[in-house]
Amino acid sequence: DSGVTQTPKHLITATGQRVTLRCSPRSGDLSVYWYQQSLDQGLQFLIQYYNGEERAKGNILERFSAQQFPDLHSELNLSSLELGDSALYFCASSPGETQYFGPGTRLLVL
Amino acid sequence: EDQVTQSPEALRLQEGESSSLNCSYTVSGLRGLFWYRQDPGKGPEFLFTLYSAGEEKEKERLKATLTKKESFLHITAPKPEDSATYLCAVQQRASNTGKLIFGQGTTLQVKP
Repeated sequence: DSGVTQTPKHLITATGQRVTLRCSPRSGDLSVYWYQQSLDQGLQFLIQYYNGEERAKGNILERFSAQQFPDLHSELNLSSLELGDSALYFCASSPGETQYFGPGTRLLVL
Repeated sequence: EDQVTQSPEALRLQEGESSSLNCSYTVSGLRGLFWYRQDPGKGPEFLFTLYSAGEEKEKERLKATLTKKESFLHITAPKPEDSATYLCAVQQRASNTGKLIFGQGTTLQVKP
């Protein structure tokens, strides 16, 4: 158990819908990262927050957005969902360089 | 462009048969190279961080080494419970972000 929690574990929704994925980092970790893992792309960095502020963006679609709240938990919002958004979404938290990953949310868009 | 390439894509070993996994990387200044283990449907589990060429780290049957262009994960006398996908990732030194750039992974199957 890494200490990072993610909810929900599974999410099934339809194209065009909007979903919110939630992440609680390890106690004391200020950095939160979001990654997407699909079969053909592997693990891809989406976005990083540090102590409530956006620190870096990767290949994140404009339909996706994230935020980190004062209690340091983070949410990833995915809207206008497409079939290709089906993937595993991981959150990781870090006290420094090493990142500790949560169990992930499996999203299936039908 | 920063890139990580892992080989082989898949590896089948008999229990006790030692082998190595390769991770070749191209990065504009390496802050750290990371190895993770991932079981199906689970999140990556941290194994090692290596920072400079010549560095080695060990944990049970696993040993990670680093050169200026690649890293190896040596598995000595593997057991079936070592079966998993092993992921390599790099972190840039110059960037103020800690984002990880991952390879595609090596899927290891150890047969009893």
